Amino acid sequence: DAGITQSPRHKVTETGTPVTLRCHQTENHRYMYWYRQDPGHGLRLIHYSYGVKDTDKGEVSDGYSVSRSKTEDFLLTLESATSSQTSVYFCAISDPGTILQFFGPGTRLTVL
Amino acid sequence: ILNVEQSPQSLHVQEGDSTNFTCSFPSSNFYALHWYRWETAKSPEALFVMTLNGDEKKKGRISATLNTKEGYSYLYIKGSQPEDSATYLCAFHMNTDKLIFGTGTRLQVFP
Repeated sequence: DAGITQSPRHKVTETGTPVTLRCHQTENHRYMYWYRQDPGHGLRLIHYSYGVKDTDKGEVSDGYSVSRSKTEDFLLTLESATSSQTSVYFCAISDPGTILQFFGPGTRLTVL
Repeated sequence: ILNVEQSPQSLHVQEGDSTNFTCSFPSSNFYALHWYRWETAKSPEALFVMTLNGDEKKKGRISATLNTKEGYSYLYIKGSQPEDSATYLCAFHMNTDKLIFGTGTRLQVFP
């Protein structure tokens, strides 16, 4: 398995609170991605990074921000969580040479 | 808005049956087409990535074909087994860094 970890793995929080999810990789891959998975929607891209301090928006970026201060870590922040952000969040990594994306174990977030 | 469609949405087959699913994607700005296997409570696992029109890939009993001109890919499973039960996702890779995923085909193989 690719060396990707996500923390926390489960979180329950209340509407209006800030939440930060962490993705950590040991593969030194250049690209990192955050997806959310919801029934009927499959995987939807929130934000991605193509290098340290280089990030871009995906199709469902509203309400989320990201940061990548070092190659191995990609943080996803919900500034003020809403119930519509209840979801399972997956981090993925890839490298230009391999094209394939490798996924982390996921974080289940519940916003009450 | 770019659309990646998979059909059928779900499929129930008996052990030993062969089956196939379809992924339709835009035929412009094509870079690659990915297939992933996603078991319940796990994370998606890469099966294949195909880049050239006419590409065929095989991994054990699972194979895939690619037609970039008409914008479709087929995934075949020969002699399905209960352990093949999973959701199979395809993803369209444009000539950017992003993938656009379909919603998947959920396969259930009964013993």
